Amino acid sequence: EVQLLESGGGLVQPGGSLRLSCAASGFTFSNSAMTWVRQAPGKGLEWVSGISGGGSGTFYADSVKGRFSISRDISKNTLHLQMNSLRAEDTAVYYCAKVYSRWSSDYWGQGTLVTVSS
Amino acid sequence: DIQMTQSPSSVSASVGDRVTITCRASQGISGWLAWYQQKPGQAPKLLIYGASSLHSGVPSRFTGSGSGTDFTLTISSLQPEDFATYYCQQGDSFPLTFGGGTKVEIK
Repeated sequence: EVQLLESGGGLVQPGGSLRLSCAASGFTFSNSAMTWVRQAPGKGLEWVSGISGGGSGTFYADSVKGRFSISRDISKNTLHLQMNSLRAEDTAVYYCAKVYSRWSSDYWGQGTLVTVSS
Repeated sequence: DIQMTQSPSSVSASVGDRVTITCRASQGISGWLAWYQQKPGQAPKLLIYGASSLHSGVPSRFTGSGSGTDFTLTISSLQPEDFATYYCQQGDSFPLTFGGGTKVEIK
């Protein structure tokens, strides 16, 4: 059974940093492309970042480029999202998701809430 | 960036109704379009990928069609569990982008 479990969310001040993690199981993590998608309170879905299978390619939304960094730890089957210089508009539930076909996502975690506020 | 425009933003319908949601891309995306269903407090669920391929376990009343810039999600006979918000997403090029969502409400 595929499982994705996010952690690391919380309250952070503007300008601060957080590192989200997504523990993956039930599939071959090392070969799978993965993404992060966020959803601000009461709003729609926004793609944040993706990493290709094998980790050779990383991709970012314009809104987070230069501030966020996606990575994976194959030894721990864990996906990370390092978020720096956080802004109020980064407040959202962050989901990690496994890529299925051409960057569609077939399995999603339950999400972790990031709140950026002073 | 490719903009994805969904319409309508909301629709009121009754159980048994046929519901159609459209998604238009600002440029051609071939068939690289996915549809998701999201219920309050839950993660999105993949319904359709590749514009028209039904994901495993998804009821056959969900149908996706289209190519190029214009795509459609049809629910042939709305069931109580289908009341939710639906999103399209293009996978043609980065940055990936979602439509704004369509909320299907009970009439």
